[in-house]
Amino acid sequence: EPEVTQTPSHQVTQMGQEVILRCVPISNHLYFYWYRQILGQKVEFLVSFYNNEISEKSEIFDDQFSVERPDGSNFTLKIRSTKLEDSAMYFCASRSQPNTGELFFGEGSRLTVL
Amino acid sequence: AQSVTQLDSHVSVSEGTPVLLRCNYSSSYSPSLFWYVQHPNKGLQLLLKYTSAATLVKGINGFEAEFKKSETSFHLTKPSAHMSDAAEYFCVVSVRGATNKLIFGTGTLLAVQP
Repeated sequence: EPEVTQTPSHQVTQMGQEVILRCVPISNHLYFYWYRQILGQKVEFLVSFYNNEISEKSEIFDDQFSVERPDGSNFTLKIRSTKLEDSAMYFCASRSQPNTGELFFGEGSRLTVL
Repeated sequence: AQSVTQLDSHVSVSEGTPVLLRCNYSSSYSPSLFWYVQHPNKGLQLLLKYTSAATLVKGINGFEAEFKKSETSFHLTKPSAHMSDAAEYFCVVSVRGATNKLIFGTGTLLAVQP
């Protein structure tokens, strides 16, 4: 069964360092998303991406965040200068259609900022 | 604005007894509602979805949910709990728009006692 894969599963970094979280969406999907879950809190929408551009972003997704689909298969989330409050589980998701297609989630990348 | 409220942060049941996880929604239009499950160290898996067809929705692993407009509820039920049902369950509403982003509830942690 096709699945969304994320790497790394866990990353520990120092505050101020750049982090790149990688995702391989399901191959025929066109709509891509990042969500995050701070420990003990809700899963929150960060950004959606379609046709090689951001289609929507939340207020969390500030200038420190960027997304890219560099090679037609990977979908990355970059945090330029990590802060303590960026520590969270980051979920990548993809779907084939925006309206009725099921959103498939990866297993998440846990980011710990020290 | 769309939102969901999960009324219980923790639910504990005995194996073989019914499960009820409660969710109320708020929406200015007919919503699309989902239940997702997250097992420890796993991604988010879709259990079932309601998209304005039948009000009683059947999902995977014996779960079902009933959409009740008069009560603005979308409670998740299962007649007989299994040990493998122990997980966190999220009630989710889709925001209608170009990206149909998801708004998550705070989650209900289901414990199943032997």
